[in-house]
Amino acid sequence: GAGVSQSPSNKVTEKGKDVELRCDPISGHTALYWYRQSLGQGLEFLIYFQGNSAPDKSGLPSDRFSAERTGGSVSTLTIQRTQQEDSAVYLCASSLVGQGDSYGYTFGSGTRLTVV
Amino acid sequence: DAKTTQPPSMDCAEGRAANLPCNHSTISGNEYVYWYRQIHSQGPQYIIHGLKNNETNEMASLIITEDRKSSTLILPHATLRDTAVYYCIVRAAGGTSYGKLTFGQGTILTVHP
Repeated sequence: GAGVSQSPSNKVTEKGKDVELRCDPISGHTALYWYRQSLGQGLEFLIYFQGNSAPDKSGLPSDRFSAERTGGSVSTLTIQRTQQEDSAVYLCASSLVGQGDSYGYTFGSGTRLTVV
Repeated sequence: DAKTTQPPSMDCAEGRAANLPCNHSTISGNEYVYWYRQIHSQGPQYIIHGLKNNETNEMASLIITEDRKSSTLILPHATLRDTAVYYCIVRAAGGTSYGKLTFGQGTILTVHP
């Protein structure tokens, strides 16, 4: 597609349930990033995929969070046993890497997760 | 990653130039400066980026000091729709985090009539 697509756009879940958030990056973009943004806060890096390299998971807040990227394209962020503090907007971005040192990142509109 | 420092908020009159400063005194020689903005309830939007030279595009101009320790984003004729949070970011230069953007708190720019 023309942009980064995320689904669902909104998700309300009960505390303790697992959730999966999906990101479809721009076709051909080799790098994919997940961020989250809590209400009134800045963006917090979660995880970064680049091609076939091992992902940078340094931003995942706990072992309840995991992400995978299948076939170098679609990515799924999974949160197990959700807690109320997981409530946030989860943003995905993709970019071309390797086109010199000059490339832009395109963000999706995010998934607003509410844990009740 | 080099850290950035921005004022928490700024005001600008509609039609005037908005000059948003950013300090990145620990930037490395091969790290780029990126600017993004986020309008309420939307994902961040790319504005401009640069390495050493000043840059201009249809949205804005980026002025980087000669020592690269600071930069200024210029919106030449601010409109009400430019009201947003503006993030100045230094991009990771290498290693496993190559390409990762680290966002700070940004500057809330309010454009008023």
